Amino acid sequence: QKEVEQNSGPLSVPEGAIASLNCTYSDRGSQSFFWYRQYSGKSPELIMFIYSNGDKEDGRFTAQLNKASQYVSLLIRDSQPSDSATYLCAVRLDAGNMLTFGGGTRLMVKP
Amino acid sequence: DGGITQSPKYLFRKEGQNVTLSCEQNLNHDAMYWYRQDPGQGLRLIYYSQIVNDFQKGDIAEGYSVSREKKESFPLTVTSAQKNPTAFYLCASSIDIFGDTEAFFGQGTRLTVV
Repeated sequence: QKEVEQNSGPLSVPEGAIASLNCTYSDRGSQSFFWYRQYSGKSPELIMFIYSNGDKEDGRFTAQLNKASQYVSLLIRDSQPSDSATYLCAVRLDAGNMLTFGGGTRLMVKP
Repeated sequence: DGGITQSPKYLFRKEGQNVTLSCEQNLNHDAMYWYRQDPGQGLRLIYYSQIVNDFQKGDIAEGYSVSREKKESFPLTVTSAQKNPTAFYLCASSIDIFGDTEAFFGQGTRLTVV
């Protein structure tokens, strides 16, 4: 049974702080990992993807993957109120398999 | 502009009625998907299609049907057999289902049973 778990939150951080969002997955064979941001009532939009162990940075966002421990995280540096949204973690087992989404973590950045 | 268009944005269905949600893309993507999202929940896959005239059931296909007669179009019908259809429905597409290709989403259709 494929599962992707996220803490539903809300995770509240002050403006300018680092927000840390975590995601664990159950299938050890998972290969690709995606982070989507979803504003209330809107569709998800891709922030970044990662498929190698370690860190991947893109602007204020850093994705971290640890396949041995089966978790992937997203760090948001210098958090802004506009970052307030639900962040969805998605995992793909391997080529030809569908994305499995976690339930999402709601992030609130307070001015 | 390239993208995915879903219509309508809001849809109301009476008990026992079938309704069809439209999804059109002009990204020349082979793969298309339908997801359902309930409040505070993640996305659950209903159906997906890798190529024209072919589609596969996802995790929650019961009470839904799809067709893929054209590459650009992947309509979803919510039948009367779906007992709890009130949800946010998202259509997505990707170049294909292989590798690290991201999925692009439409703006969604919010379906409510009245």
